Amino acid sequence: DIQMTQSPASLSASLGETISIECRASEDIYSNLAWYQQKSGKSPQLLIYAANRLQDGVPSRFSGSGSGTQYSLKISGMQPEDEGDYFCLQGSKFPWTFGGGTKLELK
Amino acid sequence: QVQLQQSGAELVKPGSSVKISCKASGYTFTSYDMHWIKQQPGNGLEWIGWIYPGNGNTKYNQKFNGKATLTADKSSSTAYMQLSSLTSEDSAVYFCARLGYYGYPDYWGQGVMVTVSS
Repeated sequence: DIQMTQSPASLSASLGETISIECRASEDIYSNLAWYQQKSGKSPQLLIYAANRLQDGVPSRFSGSGSGTQYSLKISGMQPEDEGDYFCLQGSKFPWTFGGGTKLELK
Repeated sequence: QVQLQQSGAELVKPGSSVKISCKASGYTFTSYDMHWIKQQPGNGLEWIGWIYPGNGNTKYNQKFNGKATLTADKSSSTAYMQLSSLTSEDSAVYFCARLGYYGYPDYWGQGVMVTVSS
């Protein structure tokens, strides 16, 4: 199985701060990667697909980048509603696998 | 609008089985794969498998072979997952999620908490 190593596990950001979350795959996943946000007690929401494509309705402060084995999610200007858990999902090879998650809090 | 409505929380005994449902609305049920995902606190997320309701084709994570069985009822636009021989390791929240046009789960159900306890 492809291992997805996500970092950091937790992050505290000030209002307006730009933050990045990383996912590293154990092998090349050819940009077959999505990012999700999950708020407490809720179901995940798709933010980014195909590594860098913004899902409809997602604010433009979210962006994704990367290739090969290294991918990142950037939030350009932290907002209070961005608090939550974030995780990556690789869809390159079965079984699909998830990163361990990042808890993002407002400082 | 697309909605996936899952059944309610379950408290079940070790060794038993449970069947949870995911009723789809707002789109053509038979045209999109339905994925199932397990979420445990501290253990993160695991992909269980998917079913294509149009023809019943399934694909499972090998780890869940023999544990999970995915089915779909076209007449009621409902997907099901049965979990068998339950142990405490199966206590988790289980989500159904539609595979969207771009190849990733885009709409998720609200999740079903399954608690395995005697």
